[in-house]
Amino acid sequence: GENVEQHPSTLSVQEGDSAVIKCTYSDSASNYFPWYKQELGKRPQLIIDIRSNVGEKKDQRIAVTLNKTAKHFSLHITETQPEDSAVYFCAAYTSGTYKYIFGTGTRLKVLA
Amino acid sequence: SQTIHQWPATLVQPVGSPLSLECTVEGTSNPNLYWYRQAAGRGLQLLFYSVGIGQISSEVPQNLSASRPQDRQFILSSKKLLLSDSGFYLCAWSVPGGGTNEKLFFGSGTQLSVL
Repeated sequence: GENVEQHPSTLSVQEGDSAVIKCTYSDSASNYFPWYKQELGKRPQLIIDIRSNVGEKKDQRIAVTLNKTAKHFSLHITETQPEDSAVYFCAAYTSGTYKYIFGTGTRLKVLA
Repeated sequence: SQTIHQWPATLVQPVGSPLSLECTVEGTSNPNLYWYRQAAGRGLQLLFYSVGIGQISSEVPQNLSASRPQDRQFILSSKKLLLSDSGFYLCAWSVPGGGTNEKLFFGSGTQLSVL
């Protein structure tokens, strides 16, 4: 079945440094790739997304890149701040199946 | 604007008891609806999804079931809870159709503890 692998599972960075989280998907028909941020006990919140016809998208300190050939996409956070500390999830969506398959999550800790 | 309501926020149930979690969406028609479960410190596991009234697709065979009696209402049920059913249950919705409509939005979740 469909699968999304996410790495690393935990990531610690110094405040001001960059953080990169990587995901690989299995379904070549996947066409939409969102990223979510989840704080403890809260719902996942959509922070950025990218469609399969786009290679890169940026929103202030956050960017996402997509390599369709390799079935690989990444989240980049620059100038990290303590409030960026949370669990981040990637997901892959395939229109014909209606399913959003999530990665296993990355716990990001930004050290002040 | 669209909103999603999910209740209760927390629930403590004994093993073997029944379960009913409800989710409703406002401000949109014919949404796709989803139930996810998140075990403590783990990822998001897709349990059920629905593309229309009475249409339920199950992803994981287990003692849970889902129903969609109305367009914007999605219910997760169990006749007899197991200890392994404990977790954070999240309802979610999207409006598919291409363009900018694939975004998935989550409800506030229900923390279920089965004792």
